[in-house]
Amino acid sequence: EPEVTQTPSHQVTQMGQEVILRCVPISNHLYFYWYRQILGQKVEFLVSFYNNEISEKSEIFDDQFSVERPDGSNFTLKIRSTKLEDSAMYFCASRTGQPPYEQYFGPGTRLTVT
Amino acid sequence: DAKTTQPPSMDCAEGRAANLPCNHSTISGNEYVYWYRQIHSQGPQYIIHGLKNNETNEMASLIITEDRKSSTLILPHATLRDTAVYYCIVRDGYSTLTFGKGTMLLVSP
Repeated sequence: EPEVTQTPSHQVTQMGQEVILRCVPISNHLYFYWYRQILGQKVEFLVSFYNNEISEKSEIFDDQFSVERPDGSNFTLKIRSTKLEDSAMYFCASRTGQPPYEQYFGPGTRLTVT
Repeated sequence: DAKTTQPPSMDCAEGRAANLPCNHSTISGNEYVYWYRQIHSQGPQYIIHGLKNNETNEMASLIITEDRKSSTLILPHATLRDTAVYYCIVRDGYSTLTFGKGTMLLVSP
């Protein structure tokens, strides 16, 4: 069964450094998402992406964040200058354009900012 | 904020049915009820969804009341691997997923 994959599974970085989290969505999916979950808290929406542009973003997704689909398979989340509070699990998700519009999530990348 | 209310935790014995309730009294006519679950720190997993009819798939059944103000997710024969946080989410299908705190289901031997 096709699945969303994410790399790396765990990323440790120093405050102020740039990180890129990578996702490979399911191949026939058209809509892509990033969510994050700070330890012990709710899963929070960051951004959605369709047709090579951002379709919706949350207040969390400020200028430090960017997303890109550099080729036909990868979907990336870049954090330009990481802060301690960016430490979280980051989940990528994707879906088709057809009902029932369920989103399929990847296993996540644990980002630790020191 | 999430449009749903769920109990924070529930217990279930292995092999028994787990019935997880959800209140969504402000649901709109075009909104579906979706259920996802999250097994410890893994990515959320889609379980089932419904509009107004009861639904069943290989994972679970979804019972939606006639007024659509509440629903129940049923895991007919819970196993230890069903221990997870279960999220009830109301959305129109196009919108993003808004996760609440969900229900922590603990399945015990």
